[in-house]
Amino acid sequence: EVQLVESGGGLVQPGGSLRLSCVASGFSFRNYGMSWVRQAPGKGLEWVAHINQDQSDRWYVDSVKGRFTISRDNAKNSLYLQVNTLRGEDTAVYYCATSGTVRGDKAYWGQGTLVTVSP
Amino acid sequence: DVVMTQSPLSLPAALGQSASISCRSSQSLVHRDGQIYLSWLQQRPGQSPRRLICKVSNRDSGVPDRFSGSGSGTDFTLNISRVEAEDVGVYYCLQGTHWPWTFGQGTKVEIK
Repeated sequence: EVQLVESGGGLVQPGGSLRLSCVASGFSFRNYGMSWVRQAPGKGLEWVAHINQDQSDRWYVDSVKGRFTISRDNAKNSLYLQVNTLRGEDTAVYYCATSGTVRGDKAYWGQGTLVTVSP
Repeated sequence: DVVMTQSPLSLPAALGQSASISCRSSQSLVHRDGQIYLSWLQQRPGQSPRRLICKVSNRDSGVPDRFSGSGSGTDFTLNISRVEAEDVGVYYCLQGTHWPWTFGQGTKVEIK
């Protein structure tokens, strides 16, 4: 069974940092590009960052460039998102997903982890 | 960034009837490789998104054939024939041709 399990969310003050993690199982993680997608409470979806299989390509949406860093450890079947200098507008559920979702390859999604930025 | 515009944003649908959601992109979604990377995702209440359709009209495994996608260039449509109670949720179109990959605003489907 394919699973993506996110963790690391929580309540953080503006300007603070968190490290989100996603552990994959049930598929060959190292062969897939991976992404983080977020959803603010009651709002739509926003694709935040993508990383390819060997970390040679990392793409970010403009609103998080310079503040967020996506990385992965293929030996640990894990994806990470380091989120720094957090703002209120970063409050959202952060989903880990296969980048193949957009191109017609396998579309696997986790259950999400909630990040709340508040004083 | 490519702007994806969905309509309607709210769609009351009768059980057993058909429903249609439109998605328009601000620029062509034809990739340099010739493919059109337009997907449709469903998000049921309290759940993570699930892809239904990829590359305009290709249904994912396990997706009922009541769901179909069509379109080309900048105009795309998701059709749901014979709406069932389990179809309640929010539907998003998603373009994967140009970075950043972008979603439509979402269309909330409810049973009337």
